[in-house]
Amino acid sequence: DAKTTQPNSMESNEEEPVHLPCNHSTISGTDYIHWYRQLPSQGPEYVIHGLTSNVNNRMASLAIAEDRKSSTLILHRATLRDAAVYYCILRDPSKNYGQNFVFGPGTRLSVLP
Amino acid sequence: EPEVTQTPSHQVTQMGQEVILRCVPISNHLYFYWYRQILGQKVEFLVSFYNNEISEKSEIFDDQFSVERPDGSNFTLKIRSTKLEDSAMYFCASTQNQGRINQPQHFGDGTRLSIL
Repeated sequence: DAKTTQPNSMESNEEEPVHLPCNHSTISGTDYIHWYRQLPSQGPEYVIHGLTSNVNNRMASLAIAEDRKSSTLILHRATLRDAAVYYCILRDPSKNYGQNFVFGPGTRLSVLP
Repeated sequence: EPEVTQTPSHQVTQMGQEVILRCVPISNHLYFYWYRQILGQKVEFLVSFYNNEISEKSEIFDDQFSVERPDGSNFTLKIRSTKLEDSAMYFCASTQNQGRINQPQHFGDGTRLSIL
């Protein structure tokens, strides 16, 4: 399985930007980079995904390195509700089809008021 | 916004008993998944399901587990003879169209299964 590496935890102040890094040096050429988050007592929630170009949506931005070996999830203004575990996930490359996500331990983001 | 719903939110069962966890995926979705998360550990893939059959399954999904879509709306996970180590949160997920294989998955809020 292609692996991702994320910091165990990060802290941010409310209303400040947050940059959550992810390393994925063994990513294959067709793997998309997905970001999900898990709020306390809830299921994982889709945040954003991309292949090569930077992506923006209403929740966040995704900056992908030119060599695709790393990416950064950007929350432009953190709120208390953004406190969660953030997962950077690659599609399981051993499968010919299917989208069986391999979750790592993720980054636990704390947002301070 | 449509969402995946799971029932019950908490299930307590005696070891050795059968348990059925229920999920209602988003109505126009075609691909369905079960994951589990043991307390304090990572989310782990169990099984994916499409066109009334299993597409993929992990090593965790042994003969004690089964899935079905009995009525076109519900998607169930059955554990035939529960063990203490089956205690975990079980998440159902669905996605719309596997033709574009990197579609996001939509997760329910899970069923907490406690085996006594």
